Amino acid sequence: AQTVTQSQPEMSVQEAETVTLSCTYDTSENNYYLFWYKQPPSRQMILVIRQEAYKQQNATENRFSVNFQKAAKSFSLKISDSQLGDTAMYFCAFMVYNQGGKLIFGQGTELSVKP
Amino acid sequence: GAGVSQSPRYKVAKRGQDVALRCDPISGHVSLFWYQQALGQGPEFLTYFQNEAQLDKSGLPSDRFFAERPEGSVSTLKIQRTQQEDSAVYLCASSLVGISSNQPQHFGDGTRLSIL
Repeated sequence: AQTVTQSQPEMSVQEAETVTLSCTYDTSENNYYLFWYKQPPSRQMILVIRQEAYKQQNATENRFSVNFQKAAKSFSLKISDSQLGDTAMYFCAFMVYNQGGKLIFGQGTELSVKP
Repeated sequence: GAGVSQSPRYKVAKRGQDVALRCDPISGHVSLFWYQQALGQGPEFLTYFQNEAQLDKSGLPSDRFFAERPEGSVSTLKIQRTQQEDSAVYLCASSLVGISSNQPQHFGDGTRLSIL
């Protein structure tokens, strides 16, 4: 069975600063995807960034980047130049390749960006 | 519409009542997923459809939960004889293709179900 662990229930950061959210996972699979989703109070899950496990290069999307350490089963999210609109719950998620696409989520980290 | 649409947005029911939650996926999306999100927790997988076929229902917590997608588009999640522990947000997601799963899942706003 796969599990995803987010050890930081809450984090805060000053506007324009950089913050890193942690995620670890456990699996015996070799082919999988990892994701970070953002969930604002409106409840809609929004995909922030994704990483294919077979790619060594860390994914980057504008101010968002990941540090993917496959051997350590670690997948952290770095948010640079934090903005007030980044305030939300952030979920790390895991998907096994070729098994239907169901996502396994962590418990979430509530991020507050302070002015 | 452009996104995944769920209705109702809020549902209050008395314990023991049956409820039905609707999901209208993005047009043309083959895969449809239901997740249950308890307060303060991450979503948990319930079930998955590829077109009208329910390929995985391993996450349904009991036989009181039933999902269908008869024409391969709109899906309904039905909960019979509701219990207080069924109170949660129910999220629906759809994606363009099936098992190869390189396509991202697009989520709706969810239905918040409260059982009194």
